[in-house]
Amino acid sequence: GENVEQHPSTLSVQEGDSAVIKCTYSDSASNYFPWYKQELGKRPQLIIDIRSNVGEKKDQRIAVTLNKTAKHFSLHITETQPEDSAVYFCAASFKAAGNKLTFGGGTRVLVKP
Amino acid sequence: GAVVSQHPSRVICKSGTSVKIECRSLDFQATTMFWYRQFPKKSLMLMATSNEGSKATYEQGVEKDKFLINHASLTLSTLTVTSAHPEDSSFYICSVPSGAGELFFGEGSRLTVL
Repeated sequence: GENVEQHPSTLSVQEGDSAVIKCTYSDSASNYFPWYKQELGKRPQLIIDIRSNVGEKKDQRIAVTLNKTAKHFSLHITETQPEDSAVYFCAASFKAAGNKLTFGGGTRVLVKP
Repeated sequence: GAVVSQHPSRVICKSGTSVKIECRSLDFQATTMFWYRQFPKKSLMLMATSNEGSKATYEQGVEKDKFLINHASLTLSTLTVTSAHPEDSSFYICSVPSGAGELFFGEGSRLTVL
């Protein structure tokens, strides 16, 4: 089955700096790569996603890049703010597997004011 | 996206009892729902795929007799933790997939077994 690795497990940045989280996946059939943000005790919230026919996608301060050849994708948060502090999860899935999402281990991001 | 409601949000029970968690898709007909479990400071691990009108599909290592799943209708799936023990204490989250692959999560249910 699919295996998703995520790094780093913790990330501390100064407010205003950028944060980058990287993920690799094992199954070349995966074609959907979402990123979720989870605050303590809450449900994961989808913040951005990318499909395999696209190399990059941006939404305001958040961007995701995908390298299918290398099987890795990254989340970039620019101009970080304290409210960006949370745990971020990457995930991967493909339709033939019923769209089951396999999650990375998570990255705890702390934005210091 | 789909609106998913999960109940109860918190439950505390004694060891040996059974607990039922409900997951409702309020505005989307879901033939499939996914049940995840999340231990403190850990990632989400898929437990099983709930299929409307047929048996659930369990992931490797998940005891189907302990975690009973019933997908009674296109809007309701239930997870029953039978004979719960302290090691079953966890955050259980259901999710509904859209046709395009996105998952919409319920609020989650925090189970504490004493």
